[in-house]
Amino acid sequence: QVQLVQSGAQVKRPGASLKVSCQASGYTFTDYYIHWVRQAPGQGLEWMGWIGSKRGDTNYAQKFQGRATMTRDTSIGTADMVLRGLRSDDTAVYYCARGDYGSGKYYYYYMDVWGKGTAVTVSS
Amino acid sequence: SSELTQDPAVSVALGQTVTITCQGDSLRSYYGSWYQQKPGQAPVLVIYGKNYRPSGIPDRFSGSTSGDTASLTISGAQAEDEADYYCNCRDKSGDHLVFGGGTKLTVL
Repeated sequence: QVQLVQSGAQVKRPGASLKVSCQASGYTFTDYYIHWVRQAPGQGLEWMGWIGSKRGDTNYAQKFQGRATMTRDTSIGTADMVLRGLRSDDTAVYYCARGDYGSGKYYYYYMDVWGKGTAVTVSS
Repeated sequence: SSELTQDPAVSVALGQTVTITCQGDSLRSYYGSWYQQKPGQAPVLVIYGKNYRPSGIPDRFSGSTSGDTASLTISGAQAEDEADYYCNCRDKSGDHLVFGGGTKLTVL
């Protein structure tokens, strides 16, 4: 079945870097985007960016430009997200999600398969 | 605050119809998508595009857009529909995606 399996929970010190991995299976990896979304405790969803699995093109939310790097390895169907310069407010659950888009009268974008999330705690 | 505005909380009586809205300028130019999230779980896509439901999503869920507002309607709400609902769309610049602040749906 189609699924995204994420790497395990992490505890990091302020200033450190975080790497979360996302292993795709059950579909052609290069046919879809991978989005990264995070959710701080008790807060809403926050879109961080996407990577095109075929070409490796990226689109980062302004808030994460220069601090986040998204990569993929098409040979093994994985996507990684690195976030540098961690702060306490980066404590969150980080999700990867498979994404695609379509068009009709307007364009639309959606994320139809989600990983279970990776809990990250940033604390001294 | 988000460029997509949602009511923080909405309630509905069991079996009744409820509409959750999402307002933002970008909805005049793009369709949004809707996600359901239950406590401790990953989000689930429920509606995308003009009004498309992924496989496995009950047909009591439907979507529409008028002007700058996207709506998610649950016709005959069930207890299992109690969850947080988030809209998502391109932002005003059209360069990135953004989520609404989320709506907590309570089924009474």
